Amino acid sequence: EADIYQTPRYLVIGTGKKITLECSQTMGHDKMYWYQQDPGMELHLIHYSYGVNSTEKGDLSSESTVSRIRTEHFPLTLESARPSHTSQYLCASSEGGRHTGELFFGEGSRLTVL
Amino acid sequence: GQNIDQPTEMTATEGAIVQINCTYQTSGFNGLFWYQQHAGEAPTFLSYNVLDGLEEKGRFSSFLSRSKGYSYLLLKELQMKDSASYLCAVMDSNYQLIWGAGTKLIIKP
Repeated sequence: EADIYQTPRYLVIGTGKKITLECSQTMGHDKMYWYQQDPGMELHLIHYSYGVNSTEKGDLSSESTVSRIRTEHFPLTLESARPSHTSQYLCASSEGGRHTGELFFGEGSRLTVL
Repeated sequence: GQNIDQPTEMTATEGAIVQINCTYQTSGFNGLFWYQQHAGEAPTFLSYNVLDGLEEKGRFSSFLSRSKGYSYLLLKELQMKDSASYLCAVMDSNYQLIWGAGTKLIIKP
């Protein structure tokens, strides 16, 4: 049973709109991640956080921002959506130490920008 | 650069055994992970190898050879529900996961 939740699951919006994808976890994990994944393609890391008030950019520049004000909450914001942002966005969390690579994923937010 | 290579697609028969290979070139190594991802769903963790050798977990086993930059996931007694993509990921020297594109496994009756 997943203890990490994403909303919305599906979203269709117009170009130029501002959107926030929500992600919350109840496992008390310090590490949280946002990935972008297109069908049949590898996961690309957009942002990550190792704790409250800590955020870093990943290898994919997606023109998005994140915040980590509370341990359990890690929202992703697109200031001005473009059709190139159409994708699946996956939020994940993990414990530290040897369990750092054991990620728990949310169900994903599938975004379509018209 | 860093890269993970695995076959794009494999087909196997229900009840049989299948081996999914993964080769990697990364800057540093802090473990190799296998995930299962059913179509339209999020990945779920399967296994973790950091030392050479075989790790067995029920019907699934994962093998690692660090000197060869090679791993495989072995699935025994295949069931229809095993139809999914299997993702190989390596944790590099910065403790970041580098992901392969996944192997789509099709199980036929």
